[in-house]
Amino acid sequence: GQSLEQPSEVTAVEGAIVQINCTYQTSGFYGLSWYQQHDGGAPTFLSYNALDGLEETGRFSSFLSRSDSYGYLLLQELQMKDSASYFCAVREEDKIIFGKGTRLHILP
Amino acid sequence: NAGVTQTPKFRILKIGQSMTLQCAQDMNHNYMYWYRQDPGMGLKLIYYSVGAGITDKGEVPNGYNVSRSTTEDFPLRLELAAPSQTSVYFCASSSRLAGEAYEQYFGPGTRLTVT
Repeated sequence: GQSLEQPSEVTAVEGAIVQINCTYQTSGFYGLSWYQQHDGGAPTFLSYNALDGLEETGRFSSFLSRSDSYGYLLLQELQMKDSASYFCAVREEDKIIFGKGTRLHILP
Repeated sequence: NAGVTQTPKFRILKIGQSMTLQCAQDMNHNYMYWYRQDPGMGLKLIYYSVGAGITDKGEVPNGYNVSRSTTEDFPLRLELAAPSQTSVYFCASSSRLAGEAYEQYFGPGTRLTVT
């Protein structure tokens, strides 16, 4: 079977940096994605890592270590609009399996 | 492009009733997925399809059926609705061309209540 672990909640201050970790166990691993979901909305794609290393897209970066079955999402210069839930998702060839999500609270 | 569309947006069903949740995409994506999301939880994969005529079970397929007769449409059928199927249902699609990031595009969701 497969499992993904991420913290249920994280709190940070506006303007700061926050890291959301994800560890996974899966029978076949092809890549790790990150999605953002605001309350009442649909998930939206943030990033995808198939290889080890850091991918940067604006204020967001995502890291993957395949040997450690671990990845993280880094959000810089936090803004109030970043208050949302963040999901890591593992790609197992044709299937994409989601974690339970991390609720990010941002304090002014 | 409309992207991924889902109908209806909301529905209340009585226990034992049946219904079909509609999903369509106009991006010519081969891959389509159905997820359910319970309050405060992650998304659970119900069924997915890698192309017209091909479907496969995900993590929680019991109580659901799907079909994929065209590239554009991927309806989800609930037979004999149960309260445990109260959830938000999301349809998603993706392209799998070489070099792409396997981004899933999600529809707005269908909020289903079974009472």
